[in-house]
Amino acid sequence: DTEVTQTPKHLVMGMTNKKSLKCEQHMGHRAMYWYKQKAKKPPELMFVYSYEKLSINESVPSRFSPECPNSSLLNLHLHALQPEDSALYLCASSRLGGAGAPNEKLFFGSGTQLSVL
Amino acid sequence: QKEVEQDPGPLSVPEGAIVSLNCTYSNSAFQYFMWYRQYSRKGPELLMYTYSSGNKEDGRFTAQVDKSSKYISLFIRDSQPSDSATYLCAMVRANAGGTSYGKLTFGQGTILTVHP
Repeated sequence: DTEVTQTPKHLVMGMTNKKSLKCEQHMGHRAMYWYKQKAKKPPELMFVYSYEKLSINESVPSRFSPECPNSSLLNLHLHALQPEDSALYLCASSRLGGAGAPNEKLFFGSGTQLSVL
Repeated sequence: QKEVEQDPGPLSVPEGAIVSLNCTYSNSAFQYFMWYRQYSRKGPELLMYTYSSGNKEDGRFTAQVDKSSKYISLFIRDSQPSDSATYLCAMVRANAGGTSYGKLTFGQGTILTVHP
């Protein structure tokens, strides 16, 4: 199984809603990532988890709250989002490299297309 | 100046053409180089991965890295309509121990259309 599965594929939410994005992989990868991608732009890193611990937060606003309940699952909790947060949210995973550092070969899911009204 | 420069195109070629996609970078700390293909409304898919200067071939795809010039290329031979997608170059720095932090720096992506 070489897939990263993301649900839901599409999500529309109001600015006062709370929702969660889910990501699952069964490749035994111990590094997991959240990226954000706006239309016609490259993905931008948001968070990195290594061994289920948050290792990188790219100064993401607190209305985005990541969670890694176990080595196969990654969630992104959303609260009080703004219309400019509308984007494709991508989950990715990778092996861990030497000294526990993330490996550069990332496998991406198909993403959740989020629209904030 | 961006750390990684990639011509966004769009690039339109006839079926069967050889396609050349390129990225330049400014930071010599980048040691690992990748090409991703992204179809519309899908996540990026890893096509090629290299970490040394030279060529690497996989089927119709050849990745080329020239670290002295800070230049990488992806060649697609006998291009097919199914190759129509956005192609993203990506790079990762290595830390002092030679391992990577796993933080990808992407180019802007080149939109490629192969018409029958």
